[in-house]
Amino acid sequence: AQRVTQPEKLLSVFKGAPVELKCNYSYSGSPELFWYVQYSRQRLQLLLRHISRESIKGFTADLNKGETSFHLKKPFAQEEDSAMYYCALSLPFNKFYFGSGTKLNVKP
Amino acid sequence: DAMVIQNPRYQVTQFGKPVTLSCSQTLNHNVMYWYQQKSSQAPKLLFHYYDKDFNNEADTPDNFQSRRPNTSFCFLDIRSPGLGDAAMYLCATSRDLWGLGGDRGKNIQYFGAGTRLSVL
Repeated sequence: AQRVTQPEKLLSVFKGAPVELKCNYSYSGSPELFWYVQYSRQRLQLLLRHISRESIKGFTADLNKGETSFHLKKPFAQEEDSAMYYCALSLPFNKFYFGSGTKLNVKP
Repeated sequence: DAMVIQNPRYQVTQFGKPVTLSCSQTLNHNVMYWYQQKSSQAPKLLFHYYDKDFNNEADTPDNFQSRRPNTSFCFLDIRSPGLGDAAMYLCATSRDLWGLGGDRGKNIQYFGAGTRLSVL
């Protein structure tokens, strides 16, 4: 069973528009969630963590346990945000599950 | 400077011919992971090492093995590659906190650039 679902393979928005990349997870315990990003020709890297409740490059993500979601949001997209975004779930014993990713394309 | 290095970046092998992919790290992390990622799919965890302890995922085929001779290096061995094993293979490391009673939410993974394996 897929533990992390990212329903959109591709999301295209214009520069300055709000962005929301969806992520839903399946886990009955307390989840630990991450967003990883892969820019063109670069390696996967951490964008932000649920536990830190931080805003990185203008992105935020809030855990909604009722909806089992961890959507990534940014109020005003920039062209440099164009990348592949992966939602990931960390479980005990160093288990990690990634979603299949959403490609964000920010048009000028 | 790259902290997790995978070699080679591209690997071509023949059907059934054993192949080894390499990963090294300069972070001194105690956990090393191998993922398989096929086109348009999620990276799928194959196994990981917690120090010298090998932890296999239940659905990882026996065809895939791993070795970790020391903290810095980890190898992925594919004993008899099939056409379905063509994929990007990602290595990642983390400084495990969970096993020390720490917080999974701080368990950041650092990825290598990957090795793209082709099977002819």
